[in-house]
Amino acid sequence: DTEVTQTPKHLVMGMTNKKSLKCEQHMGHRAMYWYKQKAKKPPELMFVYSYEKLSINESVPSRFSPECPNSSLLNLHLHALQPEDSALYLCASSQAWFGDSNQPQHFGDGTRLSIL
Amino acid sequence: GEDVEQSLFLSVREGDSSVINCTYTDSSSTYLYWYKQEPGAGLQLLTYIFSNMDMKQDQRLTVLLNKKDKHLSLRIADTQTGDSAIYFCAVNTNAGKSTFGDGTTLTVKP
Repeated sequence: DTEVTQTPKHLVMGMTNKKSLKCEQHMGHRAMYWYKQKAKKPPELMFVYSYEKLSINESVPSRFSPECPNSSLLNLHLHALQPEDSALYLCASSQAWFGDSNQPQHFGDGTRLSIL
Repeated sequence: GEDVEQSLFLSVREGDSSVINCTYTDSSSTYLYWYKQEPGAGLQLLTYIFSNMDMKQDQRLTVLLNKKDKHLSLRIADTQTGDSAIYFCAVNTNAGKSTFGDGTTLTVKP
């Protein structure tokens, strides 16, 4: 059983839709992450939040908008996505994040996103 | 930047030991991780090792770290069909990120 919960598990949306992905953890972790994973590839980091502040944005297009309302929740707002954005979106958390290091991350099961 | 390499495929028979290897380039990495990903699932943190250790054992899993050669390995004893999955090696960088290898697909034959 994963301790990081992501909803929904699957999402199909058109290129003009607006939707949100949600992630929740109750391990008291203060760092949360969004990754994008294409089939048969390793995860690619998108965003890092530390103590609810955005610490890393890996030059992600503005059609992806992250939000961290509190230390347990992380959202990813989606708007005007492209077909190439279809992928598995993974959320992770760790006890802490430091600018020069990070700690072991615990991943959710992801949201499988398909853009029509 | 950091580069992490793994062989892409490994096939073993049930009951044998599996050894998955990983090499990396950044000698300043403090944490080195092994993750398991089953079809349709996220990444499961299997184990990790600090850079000041050379071995860690956890039930059927043994991690060996050779810092001089920048080589990390994961040994799974008595491999079972449920161990079939993709295994990712990851190392942290001094920019606060984890660099992942491309993953090794382990196939366990009955």
